[in-house]
Amino acid sequence: QVQLQESGPGLVKSSETLSLSCTVSGGSMSAYYWTWIRQPPGKGLEWIGNVYYSGITNYNPSLKSRVTISLDTSKKQFSLKLSSVTAADTAVYYCARRGSGSEDGSNYYYYMDVWGRGTTVTVSS
Amino acid sequence: SSELTQDPAVSVALGQTVRITCQGDTLRRNYATWYQQKPGQAPLLVIYGKNNRPSGVADRFSGSSSGNTASLTITGAQAEDEADYYCESRDNDGNHHVVFGGGTKLTVL
Repeated sequence: QVQLQESGPGLVKSSETLSLSCTVSGGSMSAYYWTWIRQPPGKGLEWIGNVYYSGITNYNPSLKSRVTISLDTSKKQFSLKLSSVTAADTAVYYCARRGSGSEDGSNYYYYMDVWGRGTTVTVSS
Repeated sequence: SSELTQDPAVSVALGQTVRITCQGDTLRRNYATWYQQKPGQAPLLVIYGKNNRPSGVADRFSGSSSGNTASLTITGAQAEDEADYYCESRDNDGNHHVVFGGGTKLTVL
């Protein structure tokens, strides 16, 4: 059974860089998009970005200038760096596994079926 | 990028049927995926593709889609179904960007 675990500082100073890692246990990293999502207090889910097992990345356009997601398959980890943080970046940060499939060979579906428990990051001034 | 619109709140009487909807242009070309989130917990995948449930998800949850609207239906809602529900889909921009709906708070009366 695949499990994900986020790790990193729970407190980051304003204007600095937030760095989190997600460790994958119990399964392979192949053929999945490894994804970061965040949820500010009392608000909804926001996709930050993902990295395919090949290393190709996709980022939320609203965060793209500040985000870097990377993959280390040898350590079975993927990481998030978010630069120049402000109070608006205070949130619970989740890592997740995003898979895909098709029922007819031409239309694909996507899903995040494994999630970490989330880690709270607070940006302080 | 695309947007997905959900009603902020919906209520249902215990044992009745409720439909939670998600609207957006990207749903004309891409499937919606549905997640349930209870307070203090990570989201849980409940529906993906045309109408697929992961193992362990109750069969009272089902999904459907028409045009630009996807729906999550709970047939015979239970008290434990009270939660926030989020739809998400691949963006229409041709990349593997993801967009979430704003979420629907379901109250079971």
